[in-house]
Amino acid sequence: SQKIEQNSEALNIQEGKTATLTCNYTNYSPAYLQWYRQDPGRGPVFLLLIRENEKEKRKERLKVTFDTTLKQSLFHITASQPADSATYLCALDINGNNRLAFGKGNQVVVIP
Amino acid sequence: GAGVSQSPSNKVTEKGKDVELRCDPISGHTALYWYRQSLGQGLEFLIYFQGNSAPDKSGLPSDRFSAERTGGSVSTLTIQRTQQEDSAVYLCASSPQGVYNSPLHFGNGTRLTVT
Repeated sequence: SQKIEQNSEALNIQEGKTATLTCNYTNYSPAYLQWYRQDPGRGPVFLLLIRENEKEKRKERLKVTFDTTLKQSLFHITASQPADSATYLCALDINGNNRLAFGKGNQVVVIP
Repeated sequence: GAGVSQSPSNKVTEKGKDVELRCDPISGHTALYWYRQSLGQGLEFLIYFQGNSAPDKSGLPSDRFSAERTGGSVSTLTIQRTQQEDSAVYLCASSPQGVYNSPLHFGNGTRLTVT
């Protein structure tokens, strides 16, 4: 069956350190992968998109990698700040039809 | 500019009643999606509208669920004879037409509680 897996345990990290989140998937061949941020009581907000032919993408303090052989994406927040505390969702394109399947999300808590 | 707007933000209903949830997408966005998010669960795809094409209804969990999109803009998700397991946050998202891999712009959802 098709699965998108993100760590269910919250990641507690000290301010200033780098937070790294993992998104693993099985039985998908996505052309691209997206990362979203979700705060309590709010809808997800788009952060980054990475295509299958891209190894790495950066935006300010965020970095995403995409390894189609390992079927894995890593999401990094460098120099983390308390304001980065949120749940981060990865999402995959399903069969190129613009329909996204989402992981359950991974909560990050940045401790001042 | 205005983002995706959903109403109501909260809805409490009795089991067996029908409910209608509304979504106003971003102006000019012709793709519209409905997702459902239950506590501790990921976003579950429900239905997808793209322009004038027939909607992709493959995610609707039962025939009690239906959605329409009038005039290519506002969408309504209807749940008939609500059940307690329908309790969730219903999220709407839109994206520009014809832009492959375009990000989704989400509303803040309608929290539905069925008592």
